[in-house]
Amino acid sequence: SAVISQKPSRDICQRGTSLTIQCQVDSQVTMMFWYRQQPGQSLTLIATANQGSEATYESGFVIDKFPISRPNLTFSTLTVSNMSPEDSSIYLCSVVGGLTEAFFGQGTRLTVV
Amino acid sequence: GNSVTQMEGPVTLSEEAFLTINCTYTATGYPSLFWYVQYPGEGLQLLLKATKADDKGSNKGFEATYRKETTSFHLEKGSVQVSDSAVYFCALILTGGFKTIFGAGTRLFVKA
Repeated sequence: SAVISQKPSRDICQRGTSLTIQCQVDSQVTMMFWYRQQPGQSLTLIATANQGSEATYESGFVIDKFPISRPNLTFSTLTVSNMSPEDSSIYLCSVVGGLTEAFFGQGTRLTVV
Repeated sequence: GNSVTQMEGPVTLSEEAFLTINCTYTATGYPSLFWYVQYPGEGLQLLLKATKADDKGSNKGFEATYRKETTSFHLEKGSVQVSDSAVYFCALILTGGFKTIFGAGTRLFVKA
């Protein structure tokens, strides 16, 4: 199994500002995934972060809005840029280990005011 | 494309009632199937999983059987408790794909 630590656990931010979310895994993993869960909704994949290369973004998500870093095999950051109230969501980091089982961090609950 | 469809909620049950949450999937190849649970204000936890046809996943009294012929993975529990109130997500991962595809989630309320 994998243990994932995400920081911060929650934040309230002013519109127009940016927030960087950190994700630390207790083992080396090739791919890390960032998801968004809007209020009352399911999880939507934002991007896949690979170490040593640019992140791969899903349709509807762009690097300028959600820049991602992946400096090593145990760490990644997601930045939510130029925030608006529509960005209020839970953001989750995930890795896949073992028999293709996904593990999730506790999430970052973001409120934009 | 690959997708997961689960029954809409909310589902409201009395304590000790029988629970079924339906889940069907569309996938190329042979996915692994999962149920995740999200308790109020918390993150996502794996509830159970099945990696091949006819496998039964079970945990905390919940069960689900991987049915390839009906492309289904329905979640069941014989007697629910108030503490089971949460949102339940059905999900799949394609072999070698790594990306998890989630259903819309089903909110369960259990009344005492």
